[in-house]
Amino acid sequence: QKEVEQNSGPLSVPEGAIASLNCTYSDRGSQSFFWYRQYSGKSPELIMSIYSNGDKEDGRFTAQLNKASQYVSLLIRDSQPSDSATYLCALEWANAGNMLTFGGGTRLMVKP
Amino acid sequence: GAVVSQHPSWVICKSGTSVKIECRSLDFQATTMFWYRQFPKQSLMLMATSNEGSKATYEQGVEKDKFLINHASLTLSTLTVTSAHPEDSSFYICSARDTGSNYGYTFGSGTRLTVV
Repeated sequence: QKEVEQNSGPLSVPEGAIASLNCTYSDRGSQSFFWYRQYSGKSPELIMSIYSNGDKEDGRFTAQLNKASQYVSLLIRDSQPSDSATYLCALEWANAGNMLTFGGGTRLMVKP
Repeated sequence: GAVVSQHPSWVICKSGTSVKIECRSLDFQATTMFWYRQFPKQSLMLMATSNEGSKATYEQGVEKDKFLINHASLTLSTLTVTSAHPEDSSFYICSARDTGSNYGYTFGSGTRLTVV
């Protein structure tokens, strides 16, 4: 099993719908979890971080963490065409020198 | 806050030449910076961890003599691709974390390297 897994997509949703992006991970005492958005040809930009079980909301974005089931998800409400990008799940492993391990990314397409 | 500046944004070089990429933390000090490489339609792969004042830590399979990393100050790390070959053509991205904030890891804008 890969350390961090994401469905590569593409995930296609209509404009205004909720986009749900999922990420599963191997349990190695993971500590911090991040969602990044990457547009084609650009570097990743941080959307949200989450550290404890439950939901964390920021505007149209909600991150959900379930450590028992080893998954972290990102919900995007009222999806816009400008949300079309690749979304990267990243984990900072405990005792791993404060470095990030990335999933393969999920490509999201929001259709007008 | 937590801005990371990376230069150049793109570079084209001839096979056999060397290319230096700079990564600067503009508003915070970074004792550690990270260098990633990303091939088309693939995710980011960590190449090395750059440590201020000491040797970089390279990931398995990354040639340290080919990818020279220098982290001479708390705000600057450089990656030099030596004797570049076409297979080194990729998108190189640096990252740093402002441990004094909740910004998480911030990425530079990336450098598109094309070796011809």
